[in-house]
Amino acid sequence: AQTVTQSQPEMSVQEAETVTLSCTYDTSENNYYLFWYKQPPSRQMILVIRQEAYKQQNATENRFSVNFQKAAKSFSLKISDSQLGDTAMYFCAFIPGGTSYGKLTFGQGTILTVHP
Amino acid sequence: ETGVTQSPTHLIKTRGQQVTLRCSSQSGHNTVSWYQQALGQGPQFIFQYYREEENGRGNFPPRFSGLQFPNYSSELNVNALELDDSALYLCASSLAETATEAFFGQGTRLTVV
Repeated sequence: AQTVTQSQPEMSVQEAETVTLSCTYDTSENNYYLFWYKQPPSRQMILVIRQEAYKQQNATENRFSVNFQKAAKSFSLKISDSQLGDTAMYFCAFIPGGTSYGKLTFGQGTILTVHP
Repeated sequence: ETGVTQSPTHLIKTRGQQVTLRCSSQSGHNTVSWYQQALGQGPQFIFQYYREEENGRGNFPPRFSGLQFPNYSSELNVNALELDDSALYLCASSLAETATEAFFGQGTRLTVV
């Protein structure tokens, strides 16, 4: 069984600054995918960034980047130039390779507040 | 915004009743997954349907059941509702044959009183 742990229940950052959200996971799989999802007050879960475990290069999507440490089973999300619209709950999620993308295991979430 | 729609957006039910939640998958997607998200928690996987058959189930009792229709839309049914069933129910659609992400709907907020 896989587990995903987010140890920061809440984080806050000033607009335009950088913030890092932490995530650790536990699995015996060698091939898997990791995700960060954003859930704003509208409730709809939105994919922020995806990392494939067999790729050593860290994924980036505009202001969002990850620090993927496979040996340490760590997968942190860095948000640069934070914007007010980044305020949301952020979830780290895991799926084993070869599994349909729908069967995600989520962490407990981190509430991020961006202050003006 | 994704093409995944859920109905209703909110509903209130009494303990012991039954409820049906609906999900229309994104065009071209053949897989629907359902999740239960308690307040302040991460979503928990309930089950997944692929081409009208259940394709994996999480740690939920049999009173949670589902259907997928030929157009790949899906229903989640919960019998004998309990107070702890109060949660946001999310569905996500995906295409099993290609490496793609799951697209989520906006959820149904169920309150059991």
